[in-house]
Amino acid sequence: QQQVKQSPQSLIVQKGGISIINCAYENTAFDYFPWYQQFPGKGPALLIAIRPDVSEKKEGRFTISFNKSAKQFSLHIMDSQPGDSATYFCAASGRGGSQGNLIFGKGTKLSVKP
Amino acid sequence: GAVVSQHPSRVICKSGTSVKIECRSLDFQATTMFWYRQFPKQSLMLMATSNEGSKATYEQGVEKDKFLINHASLTLSTLTVTSAHPEDSSFYICSATRNYRLDTQYFGPGTRLTVL
Repeated sequence: QQQVKQSPQSLIVQKGGISIINCAYENTAFDYFPWYQQFPGKGPALLIAIRPDVSEKKEGRFTISFNKSAKQFSLHIMDSQPGDSATYFCAASGRGGSQGNLIFGKGTKLSVKP
Repeated sequence: GAVVSQHPSRVICKSGTSVKIECRSLDFQATTMFWYRQFPKQSLMLMATSNEGSKATYEQGVEKDKFLINHASLTLSTLTVTSAHPEDSSFYICSATRNYRLDTQYFGPGTRLTVL
């Protein structure tokens, strides 16, 4: 079944803290796992993505951790800032054809308190 | 690079009219473009996938006669909502990909459609 389960639904973090959002997938054919950031009234913006040949990818304050055996991946936002307050979507896709389409999680609304 | 634009950003129309939304890849040629719909506080729902010069592939449950998609060039796709009704009010977002895989998608800023 092509599902991506995302948790938590909402998250409140103090400024400077670490925000952690988790996703789990079922389809073992998935081999691309991006995270998108969306501000209200705007389209999603690609934040960071990982492929299963690595277990971790870091770009600035954003890190993806990937656990292939558990079929889970997570986004860590270090030193969270109020400007990071947004909705975050994980997604997954597989190889070619219809399996290449992105399957999105339901989103996590992050609020970073000053 | 990889900028996608949409026009208009918001539109209000009367019930029964048709509305056209444009999606453009500004600095790359898009092999494939996608149209999504997003209801408030919900995730993105894929409506259809389109390739330049061919018919769009619609997801199950999406009415192809109501949501007309034209992919005229490698940089332009249009979505026309025909005979719009209040239940069609939503946030419509397009995306584009420039590689042969469909995964790395760049999203437009979205179009807020309100049908009165």
